[in-house]
Amino acid sequence: RKEVEQDPGPFNVPEGATVAFNCTYSNSASQSFFWYRQDCRKEPKLLMSVYSSGNEDGRFTAQLNRASQYISLLIRDSKLSDSATYLCVVTSSTGNQFYFGTGTSLTVIP
Amino acid sequence: DTGVSQDPRHKITKRGQNVTFRCDPISEHNRLYWYRQTLGQGPEFLTYFQNEAQLEKSRLLSDRFSAERPKGSFSTLEIQRTEQGDSAMYLCASSLGGHFYEQYFGPGTRLTVT
Repeated sequence: RKEVEQDPGPFNVPEGATVAFNCTYSNSASQSFFWYRQDCRKEPKLLMSVYSSGNEDGRFTAQLNRASQYISLLIRDSKLSDSATYLCVVTSSTGNQFYFGTGTSLTVIP
Repeated sequence: DTGVSQDPRHKITKRGQNVTFRCDPISEHNRLYWYRQTLGQGPEFLTYFQNEAQLEKSRLLSDRFSAERPKGSFSTLEIQRTEQGDSAMYLCASSLGGHFYEQYFGPGTRLTVT
């Protein structure tokens, strides 16, 4: 079983829409959780860390459910510039290995 | 530019040849990671260094792959006897410390094995 599973999409949404991505992980002892964003032919960049209490950064909200072993990302009021691949990242129990999901492709349409 | 740099950006090699890639992390970062990414997939962890010590390697990393970080600064990744299946983007990332810290990725080295 893969360490991290993500729906690859693609998600095509109109500007202004709200879109949610989910990701499940297999190791209940995983230490840390993140969402990274990767634009076409570019390197991944951190979007936000995911904390147990949930956290929000502007239009982006991340949630962690340790009991069900999933994390989520909610994007409100989608902008054209949000079009990218969103990568769910989970660490090993030591916190030293980082496991990336396959990524979810988002296209925001005018 | 004080970000992570990688060299070369592109490498085309024939099957069976050896290749070496270099990564220069952000100067104050003590952790350095190597990943491999193929089309439609997320980055796959290969190995990581804390300063000059290689502390973990993926079980998927074959013995044809070796990485070094001799003085705790730049790192090299060597692939011996390349195979067509080694064709991928090889990404390097660095971070300030433990798993809570953001990883900063370099632009990658795209390897094509013919």
